[in-house]
Amino acid sequence: KQEVTQIPAALSVPEGENLVLNCSFTDSAIYNLQWFRQDPGKGLTSLLLIQSSQREQTSGRLNASLDKSSGRSTLYIAASQPGDSATYLCAVRRADRGSTLGRLYFGRGTQLTVWP
Amino acid sequence: DAGVTQSPTHLIKTRGQQVTLRCSPKSGHDTVSWYQQALGQGPQFIFQYYEEEERQRGNFPDRFSGHQFPNYSSELNVNALLLGDSALYLCASSPDRGRYEQYFGPGTRLTVT
Repeated sequence: KQEVTQIPAALSVPEGENLVLNCSFTDSAIYNLQWFRQDPGKGLTSLLLIQSSQREQTSGRLNASLDKSSGRSTLYIAASQPGDSATYLCAVRRADRGSTLGRLYFGRGTQLTVWP
Repeated sequence: DAGVTQSPTHLIKTRGQQVTLRCSPKSGHDTVSWYQQALGQGPQFIFQYYEEEERQRGNFPDRFSGHQFPNYSSELNVNALLLGDSALYLCASSPDRGRYEQYFGPGTRLTVT
């Protein structure tokens, strides 16, 4: 069974700091990995998608890396801002052999607070 | 282009009642998945629909059922509601049998009293 763990559970930093959020998964047979942002009581916003054959993806101040063999992914946030405050979720999609793909296994998330 | 939409936004039900939640996928997406997110937890997969059939199912009882319509929209039905069913219910859509990036709707907050 695929299990996803995110460390730390919560993080509080001053504005301007560079951050690293960690995600680990137990089954390395994944199809891809997706990082999401969730604001309180809201839905999920996709930030980055990394295919299993890729090592990293970048979008603006965000950079996500993937080491499939060791079951780890890292989300790097550069020059953090108060608007980055949210919960960040990591999810993996297993390489199922069914007729459809798409089932995501989520971690519990890292709750990030960036204060001015 | 509208993204994934869900209705209603909030819902309050009593134990034992039944509820239906609705989801319209993003334009061009044919696969719809439903997730339950309890407070402080990550989303848990309920089931996935493609070509109007349930293709994958998570560890949820038969009280949870669904449907996908020819226009790819979907419904989630929960019977005999329990207090523990209180959660944010999220719908996600993706193209090509779920192969690519999933897009989530804003969710329906269900409270069971």
